[in-house]
Amino acid sequence: GNSVTQMEGPVTLSEEAFLTINCTYTATGYPSLFWYVQYPGEGLQLLLKATKADDKGSNKGFEATYRKETTSFHLEKGSVQVSDSAVYFCAQDQAGTALIFGKGTTLSVSS
Amino acid sequence: DTEVTQTPKHLVMGMTNKKSLKCEQHMGHRAMYWYKQKAKKPPELMFVYSYEKLSINESVPSRFSPECPNSSLLNLHLHALQPEDSALYLCASSQGLAGAGKETQYFGPGTRLLVL
Repeated sequence: GNSVTQMEGPVTLSEEAFLTINCTYTATGYPSLFWYVQYPGEGLQLLLKATKADDKGSNKGFEATYRKETTSFHLEKGSVQVSDSAVYFCAQDQAGTALIFGKGTTLSVSS
Repeated sequence: DTEVTQTPKHLVMGMTNKKSLKCEQHMGHRAMYWYKQKAKKPPELMFVYSYEKLSINESVPSRFSPECPNSSLLNLHLHALQPEDSALYLCASSQGLAGAGKETQYFGPGTRLLVL
């Protein structure tokens, strides 16, 4: 069935370091792909999305490109800040149901 | 505006209580969702409403009872809950049904529920 696999955390970085969080998916069709972020004690916020192959989603310095050939949607940011500390969820939609989430990756950024 | 609001923010209830969670959106979205999220886990889908009709119930116990009084409101009625039901309950909405048209779901801040 359809699924999302993302790298296990926690990821610990110093401020201004480069961030990559890997995400791969399995799907029978061509789902839309999403990254959501959850700050401590809060709900999920949409960070970025891509709806078709080769689309690049971007927001707040974060980027991810929909790669059909590698079934991936890796999240990157060139220079992280302490305020980026949160849990990041990769997700895909599936026709007829709702979002399928990865297990989440906790990012901790220290100054 | 992509705001989904949820009340209350926190709720503590005993196993014999009856309480309700409320979710509201004014984006004209026609699909609304309830998710349950345990600590350090991804959200798990509970219910989906499409055009005010229940379209998906993910085998949720009957002690959880959803209600969609109109297109902007979604309630979750709670009765005789168990301590293991303690979690963050998230509401979300989308323009149309997930997967049907590349819809984006927007989440509320959640209600943190503790069952004693």
